[in-house]
Amino acid sequence: KAGVTQTPRYLIKTRGQQVTLSCSPISGHRSVSWYQQTPGQGLQFLFEYFSETQRNKGNFPGRFSGRQFSNSRSEMNVSTLELGDSALYLCASTGGAEGYTFGSGTRLTVV
Amino acid sequence: KQEVTQIPAALSVPEGENLVLNCSFTDSAIYNLQWFRQDPGKGLTSLLLIQSSQREQTSGRLNASLDKSSGRSTLYIAASQPGDSATYLCAVRSGNTGKLIFGQGTTLQVKP
Repeated sequence: KAGVTQTPRYLIKTRGQQVTLSCSPISGHRSVSWYQQTPGQGLQFLFEYFSETQRNKGNFPGRFSGRQFSNSRSEMNVSTLELGDSALYLCASTGGAEGYTFGSGTRLTVV
Repeated sequence: KQEVTQIPAALSVPEGENLVLNCSFTDSAIYNLQWFRQDPGKGLTSLLLIQSSQREQTSGRLNASLDKSSGRSTLYIAASQPGDSATYLCAVRSGNTGKLIFGQGTTLQVKP
């Protein structure tokens, strides 16, 4: 079966701009989670969506938001980009008690 | 608050050696624990998933154990190969929600 698909793979944005990242989970998976990975902080949980509802949220400022559509695809938005938002953004999906499957990530560079 | 620690942070071994990576967590009330592999600049590849009721899982040359009472998990890699060189991450899921708590990872280099 197809894995978790994240688009785009790479992005370069300027400070102050906003960006939208997309994630398509494995077919049948209703839970989608987002993580930020940086060299200094490692992998940090952003938020989780389940059946179009945000079920859990990490400790990130309100500039980070997300949503999930009825087909379980999810988008993550970051507004007013800062240099410190440069990171690898990873999306993961699960069908329940099984483990998480991660996508290849979106590498965001803010200049 | 759940915290996950992995030691060592880096490890370099000659090819063919058996090795153990360690993961410890502070709250034993976990839902499951998952080991991942990450190659530079790539996403995470799941290696093994251990449910809270299980003691170990095996896949090929990999064996992961879980001891909830002591808050520890180990990943055993047998007969290491250069292709095993990567960063290995341990992640704990504390409930039936999407929040995984990750360790900082162990970067493994296997020299030919």
